[in-house]
Amino acid sequence: SAVISQKPSRDICQRGTSLTIQCQVDSQVTMMFWYRQQPGQSLTLIATANQGSEATYESGFVIDKFPISRPNLTFSTLTVSNMSPEDSSIYLCSLYLRDREETQYFGPGTRLLVL
Amino acid sequence: GQNIDQPTEMTATEGAIVQINCTYQTSGFNGLFWYQQHAGEAPTFLSYNVLDGLEEKGRFSSFLSRSKGYSYLLLKELQMKDSASYLCAVRDGNNRLAFGKGNQVVVIP
Repeated sequence: SAVISQKPSRDICQRGTSLTIQCQVDSQVTMMFWYRQQPGQSLTLIATANQGSEATYESGFVIDKFPISRPNLTFSTLTVSNMSPEDSSIYLCSLYLRDREETQYFGPGTRLLVL
Repeated sequence: GQNIDQPTEMTATEGAIVQINCTYQTSGFNGLFWYQQHAGEAPTFLSYNVLDGLEEKGRFSSFLSRSKGYSYLLLKELQMKDSASYLCAVRDGNNRLAFGKGNQVVVIP
């Protein structure tokens, strides 16, 4: 298994500002992902964070709005830029780990409220 | 693209058995996951199926039929702590997960 931590765990932000969320893993992993879970909804993939290269974004998500960094195999950041109330959500980092069995783990999440 | 369908809510009595179904239509299939999510918490991994058949893990079992695009999660000997949302997610060849909307299970005494 892997231990995943995220900072901050929650935040309340003003419209128009930006917030950077950090994800730290206790072991080197090949693939890391960022998901969003809007209130009352299921999880939606934002992007795959690629180590040493630009992230791969899903349809409906763009780099200008959600810039992602992945400087090494244990760390990634997601920035939510120029926030609006519609960005209020839980943001979760996730990783793929081929352990004793195949699984994908999720971090504890960052709860963001935009006023 | 991915289309994953789950019923939305069910109520069951402590000690009972519930089955949560998930049907999917995907452009690529590399396994199906079940997650449990309590309110305000992150999803926690329950099971993974990539081959047809039943995988049993204690009180939880998961079944997959790839030809039918169908899976179910079976929860036995329900406990109050099993009240949660249960999410099925299909993985593609790039390890990206597409989630269903989740099924809220409410366990009553």
